[in-house]
Amino acid sequence: AQSVAQPEDQVNVAEGNPLTVKCTYSVSGNPYLFWYVQYPNRGLQFLLKYITGDNLVKGSYGFEAEFNKSQTSFHLKKPSALVSDSALYFCALRLEAAGNKLTFGGGTRVLVKP
Amino acid sequence: DADVTQTPRNRITKTGKRIMLECSQTKGHDRMYWYRQDPGLGLRLIYYSFDVKDINKGEISDGYSVSRQAQAKFSLSLESAIPNQTALYFCATGQSGLLSEQYFGPGTRLTVT
Repeated sequence: AQSVAQPEDQVNVAEGNPLTVKCTYSVSGNPYLFWYVQYPNRGLQFLLKYITGDNLVKGSYGFEAEFNKSQTSFHLKKPSALVSDSALYFCALRLEAAGNKLTFGGGTRVLVKP
Repeated sequence: DADVTQTPRNRITKTGKRIMLECSQTKGHDRMYWYRQDPGLGLRLIYYSFDVKDINKGEISDGYSVSRQAQAKFSLSLESAIPNQTALYFCATGQSGLLSEQYFGPGTRLTVT
């Protein structure tokens, strides 16, 4: 069965420092991977997605993600975090064989301190 | 996202009551989804619909039902609410295709006492 895991419940980082949010997946076919962000009292917003080919994906708000097939990971990164990046981040996996449904990780709360 | 609206935004109800959550979208998407969010569990799929005549159960459909009244409207019902259905509920829409992202409403916070 497909699954996606976010091993950290919370990540704390100082403003201006690099930010990394980890995501690993388990799947038997080709993975289609997404990152979403949830700000307080808001719905989820799409950040970026992995398309077969380029392992480094650039998305909204200066975020990027690196796909690593050998490590089955899709970590979200930002070179210099802002206080406004404080939010809940979700990694999601879609499988063609699963009727295009999304499977979400448990979420990682990011706190960027000034 | 203002293109996907949910009503009500907050609701407190009692055990055993029937409650309906409504979702409307103006994005013209065929596909609509209902999720619930619980702390540490991410979002779990309750029901999804690929068009008005195509409704499917998700991973946690027990205790819920849905109705796709039109392309733009997808409602979720709790026939007899129970406390462990207390959660944040999200509606989402999307196009077909593996690379299509989903667009989420602002959520409904439901409390069952």
